[in-house]
Amino acid sequence: EPEVTQTPSHQVTQMGQEVILRCVPISNHLYFYWYRQILGQKVEFLVSFYNNEISEKSEIFDDQFSVERPDGSNFTLKIRSTKLEDSAMYFCASRAGTGNGYTFGSGTRLTVV
Amino acid sequence: GENVEQHPSTLSVQEGDSAVIKCTYSDSASNYFPWYKQELGKRPQLIIDIRSNVGEKKDQRIAVTLNKTAKHFSLHITETQPEDSAVYFCAASLSVRFGAGTRLTVKP
Repeated sequence: EPEVTQTPSHQVTQMGQEVILRCVPISNHLYFYWYRQILGQKVEFLVSFYNNEISEKSEIFDDQFSVERPDGSNFTLKIRSTKLEDSAMYFCASRAGTGNGYTFGSGTRLTVV
Repeated sequence: GENVEQHPSTLSVQEGDSAVIKCTYSDSASNYFPWYKQELGKRPQLIIDIRSNVGEKKDQRIAVTLNKTAKHFSLHITETQPEDSAVYFCAASLSVRFGAGTRLTVKP
């Protein structure tokens, strides 16, 4: 079964440093997403990406965040200057269309110290 | 935009009992409603979904019902087992946001 792949699985970074989280969505999917989940809390939407541009973003997705699809396979989330409160599990997801379910990656646990 | 509300936030049942989780949505144009299960420390995974042209769908011990008039859909788990313990999330096709989640605990 096709999978969404995320790397790294765990990243520890110093406050103020930049991090890039990487995702390889399922190859024939058209819609790509980043979500985050603080331990024990709900899955929060960050951003959606379709047709090589951001289609929607949440209030969490401020100027410190950016996404990129640099080639036909990778989908990255960059946090420019990390804060302690950015510590969370970040999930990438993709789906074939809005009438299909999401397939989630296994997540990147980001710890900002 | 589409708004999805989920209730209850926590649910505790005895093994063998049934569990029901309900979600409401706001945009009548939504036509696809998936449910996800997230076990502790793992990713959310799709367990069942329903499209707006049917009112109910079953897969073994789980079922989803849809009431388009009232704009709500529900997840039903029968004969619950301890391995059903997890957080369950609902979604609607026109929303990129999930319901807030229901933490289901099945007591042996």
